[in-house]
Amino acid sequence: DAGVIQSPRHEVTEMGQEVTLRCKPISGHNSLFWYRQTMMRGLELLIYFNNNVPIDDSGMPEDRFSAKMPNASFSTLKIQPSEPRDSAVYFCASSSPGTGTEQYFGPGTRLTVT
Amino acid sequence: DQQVKQNSPSLSVQEGRISILNCDYTNSMFDYFLWYKKYPAEGPTFLISISSIKDKNEDGRFTVFLNKSAKHLSLHIVPSQPGDSAVYFCAASAVGGNNDMRFGAGTRLTVKP
Repeated sequence: DAGVIQSPRHEVTEMGQEVTLRCKPISGHNSLFWYRQTMMRGLELLIYFNNNVPIDDSGMPEDRFSAKMPNASFSTLKIQPSEPRDSAVYFCASSSPGTGTEQYFGPGTRLTVT
Repeated sequence: DQQVKQNSPSLSVQEGRISILNCDYTNSMFDYFLWYKKYPAEGPTFLISISSIKDKNEDGRFTVFLNKSAKHLSLHIVPSQPGDSAVYFCAASAVGGNNDMRFGAGTRLTVKP
């Protein structure tokens, strides 16, 4: 298996633009997680899905952030409009059925908003 | 609300010595704990875990200790090697919950040759 795939790997955009980050989880995994990594806060859980259904989005910082999972093999995280403080590395992770199981992370998308 | 805390942002150790990384948690519902290792430009990868029914789990050079009464866990690396230099994240979850995990802010370990 190719592991969790994220695209793009790097994104540079101007303030006010829409940004869409993409994730393909590992086949067979039914949980998908979006995280943001910053120096100050480490790895923050933004939102996660079980069986394509959003379970907890309390970590989404503002209404400018939205996430979707239209099917078991694809998810997007959208920021509209983007702001410089959104600059961070965004990780997607997936895990197999069963609580407490390890999560497999993608390589991340480094977002820079100027 | 940081439910998982790693109070040391960095740690430097000499090759061959022991590295001890610490982690504290506040949520008493957590009963499964993991350590992840992250190299630059890569996603975190799973290293070792422990469930709350144990107080120690060992895998080669890596040992995780859990003190439930203190809500504290630690990762010991013996002997430390330069290739262990990375950021280490502590994570916790509640089995029987919704499969989500909470991560600490990470500790950057540098092992000097």
